[in-house]
Amino acid sequence: GAVVSQHPSRVICKSGTSVKIECRSLDFQATTMFWYRQFPKKSLMLMATSNEGSKATYEQGVEKDKFLINHASLTLSTLTVTSAHPEDSSFYICSASGMVNTEAFFGQGTRLTVV
Amino acid sequence: DAKTTQPPSMDCAEGRAANLPCNHSTISGNEYVYWYRQIHSQGPQYIIHGLKNNETNEMASLIITEDRKSSTLILPHATLRDTAVYYCIVSNEKLTFGTGTRLTIIP
Repeated sequence: GAVVSQHPSRVICKSGTSVKIECRSLDFQATTMFWYRQFPKKSLMLMATSNEGSKATYEQGVEKDKFLINHASLTLSTLTVTSAHPEDSSFYICSASGMVNTEAFFGQGTRLTVV
Repeated sequence: DAKTTQPPSMDCAEGRAANLPCNHSTISGNEYVYWYRQIHSQGPQYIIHGLKNNETNEMASLIITEDRKSSTLILPHATLRDTAVYYCIVSNEKLTFGTGTRLTIIP
């Protein structure tokens, strides 16, 4: 399958700082990228959908000013957690899709710990 | 997106076929059935997807009933590395994950 690379895989940051997570599609052009978060022993929760060159669409209850998403090119999307707090500690996962009704491929995830 | 119902857990003996059921009775005509799995602390892995015909690839087979209200994922010869949480998703756009089935392969 296609390769989606997420960086970093783990990050620890201090409360109040911002953290940027990158998601790259390495061997295909991703017209749509999705961002999820997952708490321990829970399922993935969709946070937002981003299409290249346009603003992201956020799911209900997800603060767009706290979770900034940029999808500036067909191979890169970034999620910035601004003014992080301990409750933002979670496993963040991106996925990328080339076309509608085709499979999406997932990154390996980023474990964020806010101390 | 239509909702799916999966058993919370299943066991399967190593070397046997693992059959994972999924109910999606409210599926609409343009929604595909996708299967993903997640091994602990990793991103989900794509397995297979289909619209109405049965599908097979190197990993698994997907059997969709004629009325499309349910489907079965078949892993033909389960190995210990197939132990994971398996998610059945119906969608025509974004993938919304339910609680999945925790499949444990028994040696």
